[in-house]
Amino acid sequence: EPEVTQTPSHQVTQMGQEVILRCVPISNHLYFYWYRQILGQKVEFLVSFYNNEISEKSEIFDDQFSVERPDGSNFTLKIRSTKLEDSAMYFCASSLGGSQPQHFGDGTRLSIL
Amino acid sequence: RKEVEQDPGPFNVPEGATVAFNCTYSNSASQSFFWYRQDCRKEPKLLMSVYSSGNEDGRFTAQLNRASQYISLLIRDSKLSDSATYLCVVNPGPHTGFQKLVFGTGTRLLVSP
Repeated sequence: EPEVTQTPSHQVTQMGQEVILRCVPISNHLYFYWYRQILGQKVEFLVSFYNNEISEKSEIFDDQFSVERPDGSNFTLKIRSTKLEDSAMYFCASSLGGSQPQHFGDGTRLSIL
Repeated sequence: RKEVEQDPGPFNVPEGATVAFNCTYSNSASQSFFWYRQDCRKEPKLLMSVYSSGNEDGRFTAQLNRASQYISLLIRDSKLSDSATYLCVVNPGPHTGFQKLVFGTGTRLLVSP
């Protein structure tokens, strides 16, 4: 069964450093998403991406965050200057259509020191 | 009022029991509804979509009541492997965001031998 893959599985970074999280969505899916889950809390929407542009973003997704689809397969989330509160599990997801079920990757655990 | 509200549990049930989870959502314009399951420190996995007419998938039955803004999940003949956190998930629809998913905090289920 096709799946969303994410790398790395765990990223440890010093506060203030830039970090890039990578995702390969399911190949025929057209909509891409990033979510995060702080330990012990619920999953929160960050951003959705369609047709090479952001279609929606949450209040969490401020100027420190950016997304990119640099080629036909990868979808990346960049955090420019990380803060302690960015420590969380980051999940990439993709879907065939905008209201279709979203399928999640197994996440990147980001730890900011 | 929270966008998606669930009883956090935990629900402790013996193998073979029937267990029901409930969920309410605040946005009456919500378009799509899902149940996901999440194992500890893993990604959310789609369990089933929820349709207005109600739907069943093996031991799992989902119901939607749009008038009451209420979603339910029934698990029959519980297995040890059903132990997980069950996430009620809503797509708010075009008025507040067509593509993002809004997650409840989840209901934890523990099935014991």
